[in-house]
Amino acid sequence: DIQLTQSPSFLSASVGDRVTITCRASQGINSHLAWYQQKPGKAPKLLMYAVSTLQSGVPSRFSGSGSGTEFTLTISSLQPEDFATYYCQQLNSYPMTFGQGTKVEIK
Amino acid sequence: QVQLVESGGGVVQPGRSLRLSCAASGFTFSHYAMQWVRQGPGKGLEWVSMISHDGGETLYADSVKGRLTISRDNSKSTLYLQLDSLRAEDSAVYYCAKFYDYSGNRWFDPWGQGTLVTVSS
Repeated sequence: DIQLTQSPSFLSASVGDRVTITCRASQGINSHLAWYQQKPGKAPKLLMYAVSTLQSGVPSRFSGSGSGTEFTLTISSLQPEDFATYYCQQLNSYPMTFGQGTKVEIK
Repeated sequence: QVQLVESGGGVVQPGRSLRLSCAASGFTFSHYAMQWVRQGPGKGLEWVSMISHDGGETLYADSVKGRLTISRDNSKSTLYLQLDSLRAEDSAVYYCAKFYDYSGNRWFDPWGQGTLVTVSS
């Protein structure tokens, strides 16, 4: 199985901060990487797929990059509605594993 | 709009069974593979199972293999997850999700609102 390790697991930031979350895969995943945002009590919401393609309706302050086994999600200027938990997911092979999550909280 | 609505969760004793449903609308259900993902209390997301668009292929996480069964009824646009021999560690919110796989792009979207399964005596 492909393991995904996100870092950090928790981060505290202020509105307007630039935030970067890293997702490392235990083996190559051919750019089959997605990012999801989850708010408390809600279902995950797709932010991005294929490493860097924004889902329709997702603000452009979100961006993704990376290749091979290391990927990043960047929020260029954190907004109040961005405080949530973020998960990466590899869709290269089954089981389609998720990272353990990164909780972004208000400083 | 595309919508997935899960139902069937509840409190069940260890060793008992439960069947979850996921009613789909707003898209041609029979054209898409579907997925189940679960999230234990205070935990992260765990992929559980996949079924192909026609039900001909199913896959399961090792943690549930032999106890959970995924199925679908394309005439009713409904996805199912049969949970048997339930254990405390199966307690979770269970989400269904539409699987998009086209031109090398893959993702889960949308997700249903989730249904809570609690295994407890």
